[in-house]
Amino acid sequence: GAVVSQHPSWVICKSGTSVKIECRSLDFQATTMFWYRQFPKQSLMLMATSNEGSKATYEQGVEKDKFLINHASLTLSTLTVTSAHPEDSSFYICSARGYIRGSNEQFFGPGTRLTVL
Amino acid sequence: SQKIEQNSEALNIQEGKTATLTCNYTNYSPAYLQWYRQDPGRGPVFLLLIRENEKEKRKERLKVTFDTTLKQSLFHITASQPADSATYLCALDKDTGGFKTIFGAGTRLFVKA
Repeated sequence: GAVVSQHPSWVICKSGTSVKIECRSLDFQATTMFWYRQFPKQSLMLMATSNEGSKATYEQGVEKDKFLINHASLTLSTLTVTSAHPEDSSFYICSARGYIRGSNEQFFGPGTRLTVL
Repeated sequence: SQKIEQNSEALNIQEGKTATLTCNYTNYSPAYLQWYRQDPGRGPVFLLLIRENEKEKRKERLKVTFDTTLKQSLFHITASQPADSATYLCALDKDTGGFKTIFGAGTRLFVKA
């Protein structure tokens, strides 16, 4: 099946620094990529939707200047958490949607655990 | 607003029994519904998709039903195994053309040997 990778798988940073997380679709071109955040024992919360070459669409309550999303190509999207604070510590998951075998399917990455000290 | 509800309490069952998980939704008429499995510290893994015009879908030991009148989906795992222990998420796509998927909080399943 299609594979979506994320890098890094975990990161620990100091408060005030910025962290970049990459999401790649490895064997298909993703027309749309999504970024989710998940707190312990809670559901995945959609943060934003990004299409290649255009600005991301953010969900209500998500600060676009805090969570910068760049969808540079059909296989790569990045999420940058700027000036990270301890409350940004969470599990960030990306997903990629594209046409595979004639069907528009969605695949999720393995997630990135961010810990802000 | 759209809401997806799954039983937040963990489900404990004995190996070999059938596990049944429930997903209810409100203020919504999805074209299809999906079930995912999520293991701790991992991203969700797609299991099954059922469309609004389908009553039931099966895949190996998994069975999903979809009742658009009750606004409910049931997810069954027959002959459950300890390896089935995980969190199971119900998901619906916002039918806006952008195909945004929203998730329920998930139900944690524990299968005891």
